[in-house]
Amino acid sequence: NAGVTQTPKFRILKIGQSMTLQCAQDMNHNYMYWYRQDPGMGLKLIYYSVGAGITDKGEVPNGYNVSRSTTEDFPLRLELAAPSQTSVYFCASSLEGALEAFFGQGTRLTVV
Amino acid sequence: AQSVTQPDIHITVSEGASLELRCNYSYGATPYLFWYVQSPGQGLQLLLKYFSGDTLVQGIKGFEAEFKRSQSSFNLRKPAVHWSDAAEYFCAVVGGGADGLTFGKGTHLIIQP
Repeated sequence: NAGVTQTPKFRILKIGQSMTLQCAQDMNHNYMYWYRQDPGMGLKLIYYSVGAGITDKGEVPNGYNVSRSTTEDFPLRLELAAPSQTSVYFCASSLEGALEAFFGQGTRLTVV
Repeated sequence: AQSVTQPDIHITVSEGASLELRCNYSYGATPYLFWYVQSPGQGLQLLLKYFSGDTLVQGIKGFEAEFKRSQSSFNLRKPAVHWSDAAEYFCAVVGGGADGLTFGKGTHLIIQP
């Protein structure tokens, strides 16, 4: 069972560079989420999607973009990387919005 | 909007001792509540959840939690901790919307030999 798969696991970016964090799930879940985790701050929601073609902003969306062209994939795009985006990023999915979420292993991103 | 408070940033417990991690939530209706555990360098794993019914819920790895509406609490307990329980623990709540879980800031559990 693959569950939620995130790539890459680690990445170092220079200020101003762009990159896409990949997330795929094989559970046929409608809902997918991107969180960032900073030390002592818990997880904060960046973007979420309730199905293919539908995305919406979470608590901290600035500097990020997402797309959801298929049920399985939910990539997160950073267009102009900034040091404030140094964080651990988690993708998650759930069958419905009020059910438990299943998490990927995370992507540790450092912007220098 | 819902919120979650975990008042203890760090807790140190001796191996074999009992454990209680505190969680208080704010939500207007009956919430759906969760406890997740995160081992170093790993993603989050669901320990247990409360949706309705019996207010004492059992989870994996010998953990349990009790929902107390009057205190807006959902504390996590374990009778005897093991060294492998050392991790970060997150309490979370989800309301009726589609925007997923709201997390507390986490409690870092340290196990002393």
